[in-house]
Amino acid sequence: EAQVTQNPRYLITVTGKKLTVTCSQNMNHEYMSWYRQDPGLGLRQIYYSMNVEVTDKGDVPEGYKVSRKEKRNFPLILESPSPNQTSLYFCASSSHTDRNEQFFGPGTRLTVL
Amino acid sequence: EDQVTQSPEALRLQEGESSSLNCSYTVSGLRGLFWYRQDPGKGPEFLFTLYSAGEEKEKERLKATLTKKESFLHITAPKPEDSATYLCAVQAISRDDKIIFGKGTRLHILP
Repeated sequence: EAQVTQNPRYLITVTGKKLTVTCSQNMNHEYMSWYRQDPGLGLRQIYYSMNVEVTDKGDVPEGYKVSRKEKRNFPLILESPSPNQTSLYFCASSSHTDRNEQFFGPGTRLTVL
Repeated sequence: EDQVTQSPEALRLQEGESSSLNCSYTVSGLRGLFWYRQDPGKGPEFLFTLYSAGEEKEKERLKATLTKKESFLHITAPKPEDSATYLCAVQAISRDDKIIFGKGTRLHILP
C-alpha cells in the first residue's frame, strides 16, 4: 500500500531535549516536505527537499533541521525544542512528474512543556 | 506578499443544499492552485490541481474552478460524508517550490 508514515504519532517532551520525528514514503517520490499545522494559522511549510541531499527552507524553518540521505526518508530534527514548537506536524511526498499531488502522512502531535 | 485567503471559515449546510467555497490568492505568478480535503485527526488528501484561469476539474459532487484572482470549490447536493475541512494552496513562480496554504473552510453537512 502506497503510504507516508510518521513516527512517533504523539510525543510529549520538555524544553531543550533534542528529538527527531521520522518520515518515510514507499512511493519512490523525489519531493518531500514538512509542515506544521496550528489553529488559526493553517498549514505552514517548514522545509522541503527536491531529492536526495537537496533541502530548502520553507516559510517557518527556524528551530528545525532536516536531512535527506536516502530517497525514502526525510527526518525532522528539533535540536532544542521550545514550547512554541508545540504543534501538529505533517510530512508529505510527491513525484517530480506530479509534484502538486502531495501525499500526506497521518501527523505527529508534539507537545513541548 | 503572497497570500491565500479562504472564505467562509465555516459553513453548515443541509444535505442536498449546494454551495461554493472561495479561495482568493495574491501571488506574483501562479504556478498552480490545489485543493485538499482534511478529515479530523488525519492528513490532508489531494483533490485537484488547477493551472490556468478558466480551467475546471470535477470529482463526484465537487467541481473546482479558477480565475486570475480566485478559485471556487462548488459542492453539488452534498452528503454528510462530505463534511470535512477543505484547504486551498498555491505555488507561486516567484517562490521556487514553496507552497502556501490557506486556513481552510470547515464544512458541516447536516443529514
